[in-house]
Amino acid sequence: EVQVVESGGGLVQPGRSLRLSCAASGFTFGDYGMHWVRQAPGKGLEWVSGISWDSGTIGYADSVKGRFTISRDNAKKSLYLQLNSLRPEDTALYYCTKGGGATTVTAFDNWGQGTLVTVSS
Amino acid sequence: QSVLTQPPSVSGAPGQRVTISCTGSSSNIGAGYDVHWYQQLPGTAPKLLIDGNNNRPSGVPDRFSGSKSGTSASLAITGLQADDEGDYYCQSFDSTLSTLFGGGTKLTVL
Repeated sequence: EVQVVESGGGLVQPGRSLRLSCAASGFTFGDYGMHWVRQAPGKGLEWVSGISWDSGTIGYADSVKGRFTISRDNAKKSLYLQLNSLRPEDTALYYCTKGGGATTVTAFDNWGQGTLVTVSS
Repeated sequence: QSVLTQPPSVSGAPGQRVTISCTGSSSNIGAGYDVHWYQQLPGTAPKLLIDGNNNRPSGVPDRFSGSKSGTSASLAITGLQADDEGDYYCQSFDSTLSTLFGGGTKLTVL
């Protein structure tokens, strides 16, 4: 069974940092692009960042560019998101999602349950 | 405000047919990028409903169908059921290969 499980969320003060992790199982992790998508409380989905199978293609939403960094470790079957200079508007449930192919331009065919990031003083 | 525009809400009675539109531009949907659709039931993670404009992943009932034309796409749901109630999102891409989501449509089954 394909599974992605997020961890690392929590309450953090504005300006501080956090690192999210996503552990994958049930598929050949290194063959697929991966993404982070977030959802603020009561709001819609917002794509945050995506990375291709070989880390050769990486993209970010304008709202997080320069502050967030996506990375992956295919040997560990893990995806990461480093969140720096956090702002209250970054408060959201962060989902790890599996792409449908090797690139970043695919549907997201499996989603985790999300990890909650709350930015507040 | 999302680059892909969806109606905030739609509604229908059980058994009826509803459609949800997703309007983009020549920079995204109109540039030939695929449109995908997701269903998010209350309190759950999103689920892929339509892949590549009109393909249903395994396990998705054929009551759900997608179409795309020009700079727009649509999701149709026939034989509406109470447990279809939730939020529906379209997804596509732009020329920078960034992912775009629509603002979401809340489906209410009357």
